[in-house]
Amino acid sequence: GAGVSQSPSNKVTEKGKDVELRCDPISGHTALYWYRQSLGQGLEFLIYFQGNSAPDKSGLPSDRFSAERTGGSVSTLTIQRTQQEDSAVYLCASSSNMGLADGELFFGEGSRLTVL
Amino acid sequence: KQEVTQIPAALSVPEGENLVLNCSFTDSAIYNLQWFRQDPGKGLTSLLLIQSSQREQTSGRLNASLDKSSGRSTLYIAASQPGDSATYLCAVVETGNQFYFGTGTSLTVIP
Repeated sequence: GAGVSQSPSNKVTEKGKDVELRCDPISGHTALYWYRQSLGQGLEFLIYFQGNSAPDKSGLPSDRFSAERTGGSVSTLTIQRTQQEDSAVYLCASSSNMGLADGELFFGEGSRLTVL
Repeated sequence: KQEVTQIPAALSVPEGENLVLNCSFTDSAIYNLQWFRQDPGKGLTSLLLIQSSQREQTSGRLNASLDKSSGRSTLYIAASQPGDSATYLCAVVETGNQFYFGTGTSLTVIP
């Protein structure tokens, strides 16, 4: 696609429910990142996928968070048993990673999650 | 661990002024540095990418410089306009493709 696409743009859920957030990166981009941005805060790294390599999960805040990337393209971030502190904007970004020096990062518009 | 700092946290200027936003980082072993803008409720939009071998990049009224040895980058905005009002973030990338973001500078350009 022309840009990074995320869905849903807004999600309101009840505490304890599971949610899935989807990211469709720019076609051909091998690197995909998930970040979380809480109100008025900076970006918090969650997870990074690079091609077929094992993902870097070092930023996932708890075992309720997981992500997968199917076929090296679309990624899904799953949050199980949501808590109110999970409320934030979840941002996805992709990069061509054609050599690190070329790795310009492009972001989607984000998925705003509200846990009641 | 890399730390990225942006000063000031907020800036308010009258329309037409030239301004400079600052970004500093603690580890100079970076591959590139990227400047973004973020409008309220939106994702980040890439403005400029400076590779480690470069010293500056220009796009329209924007000019970004990079001094790796001192761990600093500046974003210069010429002839500011109300439409430039946004939060500006810088990010550096190191080995392992990990991006480190600053907390941003919130810019308001007053008509």
